[in-house]
Amino acid sequence: EVQLVESGGALVQPGESLRLSCAASGFNFGKYWMSWGRQVPGKGLEWVANIKEDGSDYYYLDSVKGRFTISRDNNRHLLFLQMNNLRPEDTAIYYCARRKNFDSWGQGTLVSVSS
Amino acid sequence: DVVMTQSPLYLPVTLGQPASISCRSSQGLVYGDGNTYLNWFHQRPGQSPRRLIYKISYRDSGVPDRFSGSGSGTDFTLRISGVEAEDVGVYYCMQGTHWPFTFGPGTRVDIK
Repeated sequence: EVQLVESGGALVQPGESLRLSCAASGFNFGKYWMSWGRQVPGKGLEWVANIKEDGSDYYYLDSVKGRFTISRDNNRHLLFLQMNNLRPEDTAIYYCARRKNFDSWGQGTLVSVSS
Repeated sequence: DVVMTQSPLYLPVTLGQPASISCRSSQGLVYGDGNTYLNWFHQRPGQSPRRLIYKISYRDSGVPDRFSGSGSGTDFTLRISGVEAEDVGVYYCMQGTHWPFTFGPGTRVDIK
């Protein structure tokens, strides 16, 4: 069974940094593109970033380019999202998902950016 | 960016009756490999989204066959042949062809 478990969400102040992790199990992690998406509580879904199987290619939402970095550790079956210079508009539940087209999702981790 | 629109945004349905949700993209979604990466997701209150349909019409594993997807070009449809109580929630379409990938605004389905 595919399992994705996010962690690292917290309440931070604008300009601060946070690193989200996603622990994957139940599938051959290194053979899949992985993704991050987010959702403001009570609102719609937004794609944030994708990373290729071997980490050699990645894509970002324009509003996070230069601030967020997606990475992965295939040996430890971990996906990461390093988030720097956080803004209040980054406040959301962040989901880890398998594949570019989100075929399995984690339960999400809440990031709140507020002074 | 590709803009995804959905209609209706709110859909009250009677148990056992069919339901249909429309999704339109601002440009065609055929990728270079010939596939159209149009997905449908369902999110129940308090839960993570779940993918139901990928590449327009392929059902994900475990998805009941009352769900079906169709369409081409820029117009796509999700149909539920007979709505059950567990089908309430919000349905989103998403295009995974052109970066940045984009979601529709969501259609809330409730039981009348």
